[in-house]
Amino acid sequence: EAQVTQNPRYLITVTGKKLTVTCSQNMNHEYMSWYRQDPGLGLRQIYYSMNVEVTDKGDVPEGYKVSRKEKRNFPLILESPSPNQTSLYFCASSLRSNEKLFFGSGTQLSVL
Amino acid sequence: GEDVEQSLFLSVREGDSSVINCTYTDSSSTYLYWYKQEPGAGLQLLTYIFSNMDMKQDQRLTVLLNKKDKHLSLRIADTQTGDSAIYFCAERYSSASKIIFGSGTRLSIRP
Repeated sequence: EAQVTQNPRYLITVTGKKLTVTCSQNMNHEYMSWYRQDPGLGLRQIYYSMNVEVTDKGDVPEGYKVSRKEKRNFPLILESPSPNQTSLYFCASSLRSNEKLFFGSGTQLSVL
Repeated sequence: GEDVEQSLFLSVREGDSSVINCTYTDSSSTYLYWYKQEPGAGLQLLTYIFSNMDMKQDQRLTVLLNKKDKHLSLRIADTQTGDSAIYFCAERYSSASKIIFGSGTRLSIRP
């Protein structure tokens, strides 16, 4: 089944403890992106990747890192999480940057 | 700057039509989208419209685009309880690598 898989679905952590949210797609998509969803703010793009080894900042990249070593994986790294990064995170991918986005089921992160 | 705006809530009676509105700022956007988010799930593309079209119909869904006013709407005919969700308007920015999402409209259905 074609899908975007994120893990974990839920994560509670403490300030400063490094964490990684994984994202994997099995559709051979070139384009991948991370968003965070906050009440009243919609989805804001954190980082995106047009292809392997190519990543760019979105609208709210501060406090996040990404990597794209392989086409299928696009992990989101929080080196030193802070409470303002408590949010619902979505990974998405598309065949190319101008095509339909497929979304993962989301990761609810709480930073205490 | 880039911005997509939607009202946050809409309540309609079951069987009535729902109309969700959206305004955007980028006049050079190429695609405009409607995504649906059901509780606990990611977003799913409902429909989209090219910027050179005025209207697109797909079963119960009708999308209207007014380029002059930069206004997009989604009409859902015969609204059912399964239509309860958050609906996001989005535009593909002219750079093509970026999609700007609105804040989402929560549609609730009353009996």
